[in-house]
Amino acid sequence: KAGVTQTPRYLIKTRGQQVTLSCSPISGHRSVSWYQQTPGQGLQFLFEYFSETQRNKGNFPGRFSGRQFSNSRSEMNVSTLELGDSALYLCASSFIGDPNTEAFFGQGTRLTVV
Amino acid sequence: GDSVTQMEGPVTLSEEAFLTINCTYTATGYPSLFWYVQYPGEGLQLLLKATKADDKGSNKGFEATYRKETTSFHLEKGSVQVSDSAVYFCALRSGSNTGKLIFGQGTTLQVKP
Repeated sequence: KAGVTQTPRYLIKTRGQQVTLSCSPISGHRSVSWYQQTPGQGLQFLFEYFSETQRNKGNFPGRFSGRQFSNSRSEMNVSTLELGDSALYLCASSFIGDPNTEAFFGQGTRLTVV
Repeated sequence: GDSVTQMEGPVTLSEEAFLTINCTYTATGYPSLFWYVQYPGEGLQLLLKATKADDKGSNKGFEATYRKETTSFHLEKGSVQVSDSAVYFCALRSGSNTGKLIFGQGTTLQVKP
C-alpha cells in the first residue's frame, strides 16, 4: 500500500511570491490534514479536508488556503510569502470513523522563503 | 481548547538507560492519544497509540499507558539504543470523526554510546 506522498520535497521561493504544495493520501483515506512545523512553534495544525470540504481550520492568516479534489488529493497554497513562512509542511491522511485509526504522515515539503 | 504538554528537552541518555518522557493533556470528552517519532529529515511515524482509559500502547520496546485520572500518557523504554535518537511528539485526537491532531512541543532524545 503506497504511503502519503508530498510534492515537491524542497522549495525555495522569494518573499511576495505564492506557492502550492501537493499531498496524495493513502488510497481510501478521505481526510487530509496539513501542519506547519518550525523550530520555534513546533507542529501547528493548518486545516483539515474531508470529502472536498474544509472541516477544521487552525489559527493561520487567510494567506494560507487549501482544497481537496474528488480523488482526495489535497493542495495547500500560501500567497504573498513572508520569511516566517519558512517551515516544513506536513500532510497526514486518515480513515475517519474508526477510533483506532491513526494519521499517516508524508515526508513533508521543506519551504524556504528568501 | 484541547492541548498537550510535553517535558522540555533535549534529553541526553547513555545507551541502555531508562527513558521517560512525560506527557499530559487537556481535553473534553475521551480523546485518543498517540506518540509519534520523527527522525532527521523525515516525516512523523506513529510509535504507539491508546484509544481509551487504561489502554497500554506498545511498540519496539516503548510503552505508554492512558491515565485518565492524571490526564497523562508518559512514554517509557527500559533500555534505549543509539538508534532511538529522534524527536518524540505526544498528540491527541479529540474524536473518531476528525483527523485533526493536537501536538505537544516535541522532545529531542539523544542517546550516546
